[in-house]
Amino acid sequence: DGGITQSPKYLFRKEGQNVTLSCEQNLNHDAMYWYRQDPGQGLRLIYYSQIVNDFQKGDIAEGYSVSREKKESFPLTVTSAQKNPTAFYLCASSIYSGNTIYFGEGSWLTVV
Amino acid sequence: DQQVKQNSPSLSVQEGRISILNCDYTNSMFDYFLWYKKYPAEGPTFLISISSIKDKNEDGRFTVFLNKSAKHLSLHIVPSQPGDSAVYFCAASARSTGANNLFFGTGTRLTVIP
Repeated sequence: DGGITQSPKYLFRKEGQNVTLSCEQNLNHDAMYWYRQDPGQGLRLIYYSQIVNDFQKGDIAEGYSVSREKKESFPLTVTSAQKNPTAFYLCASSIYSGNTIYFGEGSWLTVV
Repeated sequence: DQQVKQNSPSLSVQEGRISILNCDYTNSMFDYFLWYKKYPAEGPTFLISISSIKDKNEDGRFTVFLNKSAKHLSLHIVPSQPGDSAVYFCAASARSTGANNLFFGTGTRLTVIP
C-alpha cells in the first residue's frame, strides 16, 4: 500500500531530552513537510523539503531540526530548545511542492 | 497574521440536510484552494480542491465554490451523513509564485445529527 507512515504514534519525553519522529513515504513524492497542530489552531508549518538534501524553515522552525538524506524519509527532531513541544505532529508529502499534500496519521508528543 | 480564516468553529446539521462550511482568505496571490477532513488523532484527509480559474468544483456529495472578488470559498456537503462529522480545514497556496507553503484555517467542527 502506498502511503505515509509516521512513528511512533505516541511518545513521551522528559524535559531536556531530544526526541526524533520518523516519517517515511513510498509515494515517490519529491516534497515532504512537517506540521504541528495545537488545540483550537490550524496546522502550522515547521519545516519542508522540496528535494533530497535540501530543506527550508517554515513558520515555527525554532527548536526543531530535520534531515532529508533519502527521498523516502524526512525525520523531525524536537530538541530541548523547543519551549512548548507537547503537540500533535503531522508529516505530509506532495508530488512536488505547492501541490496537494497528503498527510500521515500523526504522532502525539507529550513532555512529562 | 492568519491569512486563511474559518470564523465558525463549529456547525451542527441534521442528517440529510446541506452542510455549508465557509472560509475567507486575505492574500490575493492565493490561486489554489483545498479542503481537508480530519478525525480526532488522525491525519487530515484531502477532500477536494479548486483552482482560481474555476468558481465551482464538484465531487460526489462535495462541492466547493470560490468567489475570488470576495476572497471567499465554501464547501457544500449534500446530503450530510453522520460519517461526515469531523473537523474540516480549508487551505490555500500561491502556486503561481512558486511558493511551497499551504496556509491552513483553524478548522470547523461539523456534527451531523442522525
